Amino acid sequence: AQSVAQPEDQVNVAEGNPLTVKCTYSVSGNPYLFWYVQYPNRGLQFLLKYITGDNLVKGSYGFEAEFNKSQTSFHLKKPSALVSDSALYFCAVSPPGSNTGKLIFGQGTTLQVKP
Amino acid sequence: NAGVMQNPRHLVRRRGQEARLRCSPMKGHSHVYWYRQLPEEGLKFMVYLQKENIIDESGMPKERFSAEFPKEGPSILRIQQVVRGDSAAYFCASSTTARQAYEQYFGPGTRLTVT
Repeated sequence: AQSVAQPEDQVNVAEGNPLTVKCTYSVSGNPYLFWYVQYPNRGLQFLLKYITGDNLVKGSYGFEAEFNKSQTSFHLKKPSALVSDSALYFCAVSPPGSNTGKLIFGQGTTLQVKP
Repeated sequence: NAGVMQNPRHLVRRRGQEARLRCSPMKGHSHVYWYRQLPEEGLKFMVYLQKENIIDESGMPKERFSAEFPKEGPSILRIQQVVRGDSAAYFCASSTTARQAYEQYFGPGTRLTVT
């Protein structure tokens, strides 16, 4: 079955430190991968996506993500965390061969950045 | 350019009543997706629609749930005879295309509470 896993329910980091939010996927073929962020009582906002090409993808608000095919991972990173980055982060995959574009989401990781 | 709009933002229904959730996609978007977010879980795909057509309803419960996207007006997700287990946040997303490489834009969600 196709799935996305975010192994950490919560990540805590001090402001100014680098952050990593982990994501692994299980799909056959070459997936399209996405990161979204959700602030309290808001919808999801698109951060970045991997389609093809360079394994390091840069996105909004200084975030980037590294695609690793051999480890089937797509970890989200930021060199220096801000308190305002505190939110719920979702990794998602669009399965290969899908003609509908529907997304399969991980369960989400809460990022807490402390001053 | 207004984003994806959903109303109501909060909806309280007693068991057995009907819930009707509305979604207006972004201007120029003709592809609509509905997702459900249960407490402490990630988003789960429910249905994908284009104008006047249901394309993929593989995530919809077999009974009580229906969706439409008429030629004019918003997309509607209808839940008949609601039960407590229907309590969740329901998110609508829209896109310009169903192609996998394109990100979806999410509305703020409707939080349904069944009492």
